[in-house]
Amino acid sequence: DQQVKQNSPSLSVQEGRISILNCDYTNSMFDYFLWYKKYPAEGPTFLISISSIKDKNEDGRFTVFLNKSAKHLSLHIVPSQPGDSAVYFCAAVGTGGTSYDKVIFGPGTSLSVIP
Amino acid sequence: NAGVTQTPKFRILKIGQSMTLQCTQDMNHNYMYWYRQDPGMGLKLIYYSVGAGITDKGEVPNGYNVSRSTTEDFPLRLELAAPSQTSVYFCASSYLGVGQPQHFGDGTRLSIL
Repeated sequence: DQQVKQNSPSLSVQEGRISILNCDYTNSMFDYFLWYKKYPAEGPTFLISISSIKDKNEDGRFTVFLNKSAKHLSLHIVPSQPGDSAVYFCAAVGTGGTSYDKVIFGPGTSLSVIP
Repeated sequence: NAGVTQTPKFRILKIGQSMTLQCTQDMNHNYMYWYRQDPGMGLKLIYYSVGAGITDKGEVPNGYNVSRSTTEDFPLRLELAAPSQTSVYFCASSYLGVGQPQHFGDGTRLSIL
């Protein structure tokens, strides 16, 4: 049972337009969310994060929105650039049954930005 | 500025063989992690460590072992390779706890035949 879902395996967007990547989660105990970007043959790189006490966080062209009541978050990229073509992973963090936190990754969405 | 370095990048093993995946980081991070990524799936945590001498199981630890004798190194050991362990393995580190951004290596692609 996936606790973090990214229901769109792929997304294509024209250069200059907005890219919206979605992520849904099932566990209301998650209190921190991160987005990672991954290019082929490389490891994921951190992009942006948001705490559950906020509903929006912005960093340059990247904005993450969190809707706790819907258990939904989204990543907006404006304007989209060809270099943004990558796989984007949503990750959720919550305090588990031990003293240490655990992170759950979604399956990823492959974004293609068309020039 | 190496960051997190994983070796080897690729490896083919026969069923029942053993091997160690190496991971080293030069950022003096206390926290280190091992993940596996299967096709179409997210990364799943195998083991993690909060400092030298301290390790704990993640979501999918069966068939693997780890050790953390130094801050820099966090090797992952497969004792009896099975086809189900065919995957891409990523090592990561972070300065603070797992909720903080992690720095990943470029992965080891492992095939068990």
